[in-house]
Amino acid sequence: GAGVSQTPSNKVTEKGKYVELRCDPISGHTALYWYRQSLGQGPEFLIYFQGTGAADDSGLPNDRFFAVRPEGSVSTLKIQRTERGDSAVYLCASSAGTAAPLFGPGTRLTVL
Amino acid sequence: QKEVEQNSGPLSVPEGAIASLNCTYSDRGSQSFFWYRQYSGKSPELIMSIYSNGDKEDGRFTAQLNKASQYVSLLIRDSQPSDSATYLCAVKIGTNAGKSTFGDGTTLTVKP
Repeated sequence: GAGVSQTPSNKVTEKGKYVELRCDPISGHTALYWYRQSLGQGPEFLIYFQGTGAADDSGLPNDRFFAVRPEGSVSTLKIQRTERGDSAVYLCASSAGTAAPLFGPGTRLTVL
Repeated sequence: QKEVEQNSGPLSVPEGAIASLNCTYSDRGSQSFFWYRQYSGKSPELIMSIYSNGDKEDGRFTAQLNKASQYVSLLIRDSQPSDSATYLCAVKIGTNAGKSTFGDGTTLTVKP
């Protein structure tokens, strides 16, 4: 079956701009996660949704970051007033029940 | 101290040898443990999940868990050049869906 999909695959923006990153989870997966990964480091947790609600947003670094999942399927990660330090690969994952998260291909965000 | 620690490597083994990758974690409440493989420029791919003390085998891979020592390892038998990648250990509190914490990974090189 289809895996997790993410769009765009690459996003280049200028400092101060607003960006949206989209994630389409595996069909039927109720849990959805956002992570970000910098070079040489492991994925860093941002937020986890169970259904439509954010069950744990403890990893969001500040109030410039926000994520939604209005219908319990597709999720959008929104970053306001982007900074160069936001440059990273943003990974989305989904899971069913207690299973391990399965990752999408990621969105590479570059803030110039 | 990081919550999940892995030797960064690089770990180099000859083709056909056993590669041993180690991971320690700090939170004794951890109950779910995952190993992911990540090729350069790609997203993490799930290899194994383990939840109970002892060994779990899947093909050439064996995961070993010792909760008393807060230690989880991954053995790769008959290593192949295609196993050359970064291996990420992830740990989750409890067995329900939720935040997984990742180590920074160990880079493995299998030499022909």
